Amino acid sequence: AQKVTQAQTEISVVEKEDVTLDCVYETRDTTYYLFWYKQPPSGELVFLIRRNSFDEQNEISGRYSWNFQKSTSSFNFTITASQVVDSAVYFCLPLLGLAKDRKLIWGLGTSLAVNP
Amino acid sequence: DTAVSQTPKYLVTQMGNDKSIKCEQNLGHDTMYWYKQDSKKFLKIMFSYNNKELIINETVPNRFSPKSPDKAHLNLHINSLELGDSAVYFCASRAMRGRSMNTEAFFGQGTRLTVV
Repeated sequence: AQKVTQAQTEISVVEKEDVTLDCVYETRDTTYYLFWYKQPPSGELVFLIRRNSFDEQNEISGRYSWNFQKSTSSFNFTITASQVVDSAVYFCLPLLGLAKDRKLIWGLGTSLAVNP
Repeated sequence: DTAVSQTPKYLVTQMGNDKSIKCEQNLGHDTMYWYKQDSKKFLKIMFSYNNKELIINETVPNRFSPKSPDKAHLNLHINSLELGDSAVYFCASRAMRGRSMNTEAFFGQGTRLTVV
């Protein structure tokens, strides 16, 4: 089976805390991509990052960083010095295989609440 | 400037009516999608078109019919609306690179459909 698990359904932190959102996936594909999306309370879906299975270099974008570990099939997302505006539902998605009929597999995401 | 735009943003209608949601993208992408997000935030793919060709057709009632007049548009028509159709519907688009679908999808702002 191919699936993604975001074990934390809800996280609540106080502003300025660091928070890590876990993502573990299962696949037998050798070539795949991983995505993170954000859905703030306003409802839109915002693309954050795309990572391919051949590139294990970690990535940092401002307060956001991603740790991809192929050996443990994890693609975790850390927000440093969280802010209230980071409150949203965060989705980790695998795109397994590259054929045009492949689908993003959406889970229920992790709901992050950053309190002032 | 909006990359993927959906209209209307809100739609309230009575059971039994027929309604359409329009989607347009100005990104030059060749693949478009319709997703349904239920009250628990679970996002489920409904349809996908690539160059006006239906690629993905998930198990949805045949009251739902997508129409793609050109690559930049993918409209969703719903006949005989039912209470259970109430949800947020998202349109998305993505570009193919070569023959692979490893690119990120960009989403419209969603259409909140309420059937009363």
